[in-house]
Amino acid sequence: AQSVTQPDIHITVSEGASLELRCNYSYGATPYLFWYVQSPGQGLQLLLKYFSGDTLVQGIKGFEAEFKRSQSSFNLRKPSVHWSDAAEYFCAVVLTGFQKLVFGTGTRLLVSP
Amino acid sequence: EPEVTQTPSHQVTQMGQEVILRCVPISNHLYFYWYRQILGQKVEFLVSFYNNEISEKSEIFDDQFSVERPDGSNFTLKIRSTKLEDSAMYFCASIGTGAQETQYFGPGTRLLVL
Repeated sequence: AQSVTQPDIHITVSEGASLELRCNYSYGATPYLFWYVQSPGQGLQLLLKYFSGDTLVQGIKGFEAEFKRSQSSFNLRKPSVHWSDAAEYFCAVVLTGFQKLVFGTGTRLLVSP
Repeated sequence: EPEVTQTPSHQVTQMGQEVILRCVPISNHLYFYWYRQILGQKVEFLVSFYNNEISEKSEIFDDQFSVERPDGSNFTLKIRSTKLEDSAMYFCASIGTGAQETQYFGPGTRLLVL
């Protein structure tokens, strides 16, 4: 079955430390891939996306993600986390441009001083 | 920068009442979506809408739900007879017509059914 997996429900990172959030997908073909961030009580903000081409994509707020076809993964990274990055992060995929987004269960990031 | 807007931001209603959630998509977008997020859970697709008709709907989107684009700017989600389990955050999204377009989300409407 088609699915998106975010294996980490919660992650705690010290401020200034690096971050990697994992996302794996299970689809017959390579989907379009997205990372969204949701601050408490807020909507969904697009961080970055991958459609094709360079497998390392840059996003807003200093985030980047790497697409690895062999691992069916699209992990989100940031070299130095700030306290304001504390939020919930959702990986999402879509098979074609206009179909529904399928979301992972999310990873809640906590940032410790 | 153009954005998707939603009203109201919060709505409290009694079980069995009808609610209408409103969205104003980005003006040149043609594909529209509703998603919901029950508290603490992931975002789930409800329905997509294009060219004044439903393109796809999930099993959640039963006969109690309907969508409409009553004019050139609004996109509404109606729940005819709300249930307790309809309590959730409802997100509207829209997308343009390019081959690699991205769904942009509104801020959401938090619906609480008592």
